[in-house]
Amino acid sequence: EDQVTQSPEALRLQEGESSSLNCSYTVSGLRGLFWYRQDPGKGPEFLFTLYSAGEEKEKERLKATLTKKESFLHITAPKPEDSATYLCAVQGSSGNTPLVFGKGTRLSVIA
Amino acid sequence: EAGVAQSPRYKIIEKRQSVAFWCNPISGHATLYWYQQILGQGPKLLIQFQNNGVVDDSQLPKDRFSAERLKGVDSTLKIQPAKLEDSAVYLCASSLWAGETQYFGPGTRLLVL
Repeated sequence: EDQVTQSPEALRLQEGESSSLNCSYTVSGLRGLFWYRQDPGKGPEFLFTLYSAGEEKEKERLKATLTKKESFLHITAPKPEDSATYLCAVQGSSGNTPLVFGKGTRLSVIA
Repeated sequence: EAGVAQSPRYKIIEKRQSVAFWCNPISGHATLYWYQQILGQGPKLLIQFQNNGVVDDSQLPKDRFSAERLKGVDSTLKIQPAKLEDSAVYLCASSLWAGETQYFGPGTRLLVL
């Protein structure tokens, strides 16, 4: 069974204090690993898709990396507007497997 | 490009009542998904449509939940009768094709009293 574990559950940072969020996964053949951002009262907003170990993608202050067992979302010099819940999801490669989401990491960036 | 539309945004009902949610996906997206997100959890897939056919409904509680996508575009999800544990956010998502990136709507927040 595909599984995703995200840590920490919650993270509080000062503005400008860089950090990383972790997503550990087990999947029978990885088709893709997805990162989403979810603001309170809204649906998840797509950030990145990673397909193979060693791949990296960047968007503004965010950088996602992937290994064979985990993914990291690095946040460089965060701002208060980066406060949100960050969700990680995996999709296996066997057949038409669904996305399996982790519980998310709630990030708070304090000015 | 317009995103995924959902209505209503909020719904409060009493247990044993019925409720229906509507979703209009991004234009041209063949695959449509309904997820349930309980507070503090990640979304869980309920049902996946490819055009107007069901691809995966293995986690849909079929004794009370039903969904349809008759013309291969918009979709409705129904709960009848509702239970207290159905209180959650119901998210609709769509993708160009199965396995492609999924784009989510704003969700419908359901409270069952």
